[in-house]
Amino acid sequence: GAGVSQSPRYKVTKRGQDVALRCDPISGHVSLYWYRQALGQGPEFLTYFNYEAQQDKSGLPNDRFSAERPEGSISTLTIQRTEQRDSAMYRCASSLATGTRVGETQYFGPGTRLLVL
Amino acid sequence: GENVEQHPSTLSVQEGDSAVIKCTYSDSASNYFPWYKQELGKGPQLIIDIRSNVGEKKDQRIAVTLNKTAKHFSLHITETQPEDSAVYFCAARLRGKLIFGQGTELSVKP
Repeated sequence: GAGVSQSPRYKVTKRGQDVALRCDPISGHVSLYWYRQALGQGPEFLTYFNYEAQQDKSGLPNDRFSAERPEGSISTLTIQRTEQRDSAMYRCASSLATGTRVGETQYFGPGTRLLVL
Repeated sequence: GENVEQHPSTLSVQEGDSAVIKCTYSDSASNYFPWYKQELGKGPQLIIDIRSNVGEKKDQRIAVTLNKTAKHFSLHITETQPEDSAVYFCAARLRGKLIFGQGTELSVKP
């Protein structure tokens, strides 16, 4: 596709339910990043992958959050036992490569707006 | 860890004036500094970036300056237009991940 796509665009769930958010990066992009953005704030780093390997998960708030990218392309961010404080915009980004002059730009998707009731 | 501070939080200018947004970072290992523009309901879009081995970069009406010693970088927009109105975010990259500032809401009045 032309850009990063995310699904669903909106997700309303009840407290205690599990949710899975999907990210489809730009074709051929090596690196994939997950961020969370609260209203009126900048994106906050959660985790990132190079190919299928999770490089850094230091931003995941707690063990209810997990992410995978099993084939080095599509990624899923899973939140178990959702809580109201998990409500936010979850954004995915991808880059052609990391640490290189031409490949480091991170391109963001439209995000998934999660609302936990 | 890295911390990025961004000022001002809101900025209002008249069309044609210049706008300057400033950011500071804390970790000297940060080596790449992008600026993103975010319009309502959309994801952040890169407008310009600078690496730590460069002091200044310009692209038409937009320029970014970097002072590594002071750990300070700035975005300059000249001849502002109403379509420049948006929220702007600075960021610093440390070990692959971007750490964002809090954002500046720029309003350009016609």
